[in-house]
Amino acid sequence: QVQLVESGGGVVQPGGSLRLSCAASGFTFSSYGMHWVRQAPGKGLEWVAFIRYDGSNKYYADSVKGRFTISRDNSKNTLYLQMNSLRAEDTAVYYCAKDSNYGDYVRVGYFDYWGQGTLVTVSS
Amino acid sequence: EIVLTQSPGTLSLSPGERATLSCRASQSVSSSYLAWYQQKPGQAPRLLIYGASSRATGIPDRFSGSGSGTDFTLTISRLEPEDFAVYYCQQYGSSAYFGPGTKVDIK
Repeated sequence: QVQLVESGGGVVQPGGSLRLSCAASGFTFSSYGMHWVRQAPGKGLEWVAFIRYDGSNKYYADSVKGRFTISRDNSKNTLYLQMNSLRAEDTAVYYCAKDSNYGDYVRVGYFDYWGQGTLVTVSS
Repeated sequence: EIVLTQSPGTLSLSPGERATLSCRASQSVSSSYLAWYQQKPGQAPRLLIYGASSRATGIPDRFSGSGSGTDFTLTISRLEPEDFAVYYCQQYGSSAYFGPGTKVDIK
């Protein structure tokens, strides 16, 4: 069965950096795009970033553009989110999610599987 | 950017009642690229509906989606105790933005 397991969350000071990981199993990781989605405490879902199956294209929400970098290592079945210049408003649970579209599909799909999330707290 | 609005913000109902949740888009959603997710406290979201009306694997048939263009609806025909949760709509295809959510709570 599909499993997505996030790690790397924790407490970091404003201006600091953190790298999140998402270990994938149960499907051909190298054939699907992947997303990061976050949820601030008591708030709704916010899409953060998307990377195509082969890493060739990456897209970001305006709120994180220039500060966050999504990447993947298909040999390790792992998705990453490098977060720099962190702000208090980046405090959230961060989820990785699998895109439904297989392979070289232009459009973004729906999110058919989600990890359990990892909490990032930005505070001094 | 397509902006999604969900109504009502909170829906208070009793088990066995019918729930009707609305999702309205600021522009037409192409090819009905509209999904619905359920989220319970402390859990990750779960896909319920995609393509506006197709149920995801394992989703009970009391959940149904309908609509096209700018107006979409999620209907839960008879609420079970486990259905009390927050529901989000999402537009996908050209982007991946979510609506603000509708909380279905016990009356």
